[in-house]
Amino acid sequence: EDQVTQSPEALRLQEGESSSLNCSYTVSGLRGLFWYRQDPGKGPEFLFTLYSAGEEKEKERLKATLTKKESFLHITAPKPEDSATYLCAVQAGGQNFVFGPGTRLSVLP
Amino acid sequence: GAGVSQSPSNKVTEKGKDVELRCDPISGHTALYWYRQSLGQGLEFLIYFQGNSAPDKSGLPSDRFSAERTGGSVSTLTIQRTQQEDSAVYLCASSLVSFHNEQFFGPGTRLTVL
Repeated sequence: EDQVTQSPEALRLQEGESSSLNCSYTVSGLRGLFWYRQDPGKGPEFLFTLYSAGEEKEKERLKATLTKKESFLHITAPKPEDSATYLCAVQAGGQNFVFGPGTRLSVLP
Repeated sequence: GAGVSQSPSNKVTEKGKDVELRCDPISGHTALYWYRQSLGQGLEFLIYFQGNSAPDKSGLPSDRFSAERTGGSVSTLTIQRTQQEDSAVYLCASSLVSFHNEQFFGPGTRLTVL
């Protein structure tokens, strides 16, 4: 059974304090790993897709990396507007996506 | 252009009643997904449409749940004889095609079953 876990469950950072979020997965035949950001009361917003181990993608203060068992979302010098829940999802052999429970990030000014 | 829209934004119903939730995907997107998000939980996949057909219904929690899509566009998720455990946010997403494509999510419908 495809599974996705994320850690930590919640993370509080001071503005400018860099850190990483983890997404660990167990799937048979990974087609893609996706990162989303979700603000309260809104639907998730797409950030990145990673397809193969070793791949990296960057967007502003965010950088996503992928290995054969996990993905990291690195946040460099975060700002309060980066506060959100970050969701990881995998697409395996089927058509559906399996989402992790998310990491709730708070960046304090 | 317009994003994914869902209606209603909020729905309060009594246990045992039927409800219909609507999703309008982005024009031209062939794939459409329904998810359920309970408080503090991740997104739970319900059903996926490619065009008007649903090749993957594996996530529907019971036979009280059904969904259809017409004209390759609008989709309706119907929950019959609602139960309190059906209370959640129901999210719809669409993508251009099914594989390796980002999903664009709607704002969700918050369903409360009293």
